[in-house]
Amino acid sequence: GESVGLHLPTLSVQEGDNSIINCAYSNSASDYFIWYKQESGKGPQFIIDIRSNMDKRQGQRVTVLLNKTVKHLSLQIAATQPGDSAVYFCAETSYSGAGSYQLTFGKGTKLSVIP
Amino acid sequence: EAQVTQNPRYLITVTGKKLTVTCSQNMNHEYMSWYRQDPGLGLRQIYYSMNVEVTDKGDVPEGYKVSRKEKRNFPLILESPSPNQTSLYFCASSARLAGGEQYFGPGTRLTVT
Repeated sequence: GESVGLHLPTLSVQEGDNSIINCAYSNSASDYFIWYKQESGKGPQFIIDIRSNMDKRQGQRVTVLLNKTVKHLSLQIAATQPGDSAVYFCAETSYSGAGSYQLTFGKGTKLSVIP
Repeated sequence: EAQVTQNPRYLITVTGKKLTVTCSQNMNHEYMSWYRQDPGLGLRQIYYSMNVEVTDKGDVPEGYKVSRKEKRNFPLILESPSPNQTSLYFCASSARLAGGEQYFGPGTRLTVT
């Protein structure tokens, strides 16, 4: 079946450096790709999304890049801070018929920021 | 404050004893869903609802029921809980189905013995 996965389960970066979290997807028909952040003991929190007809989208300190040729999605965090330490999930939505959309999450990457 | 609330936050129960986890949102969102989160498996969708009285199965619906009688509420019902339903459950709501921001509740930690 179609799936969304992550290249690396853990990532450690020095405070102030840039972080890059990667995600591979297999459903070429997905409409949106979304990044979520989950801190310990909390529910996932929306970071940014990108529509499938875009290559890049920027937010505050974050940039999402979409490469449809190789079905790859990445989240870049500029000037990583201790508060960025969390598990990051990518997710994709795809139309599943009859007005319904399927939302599939990747398994997550744990980002640890070293002070 | 825009939020999704879940109750209870923690629950320990025994096999076969029916339970309900409530979920409520105050954002007038049409779309609501339930997920379970398990180590190594990530978030998996149980059920979702596109509006009042409209619900559909997600990836792992077996052993669960839902109802959507009001727009703001979307309870998750376990008629006969089993140990394999021990998990962390999240309710979420959003204004639209595709893309965009889903607001997640704080989670309900369920243990079935």
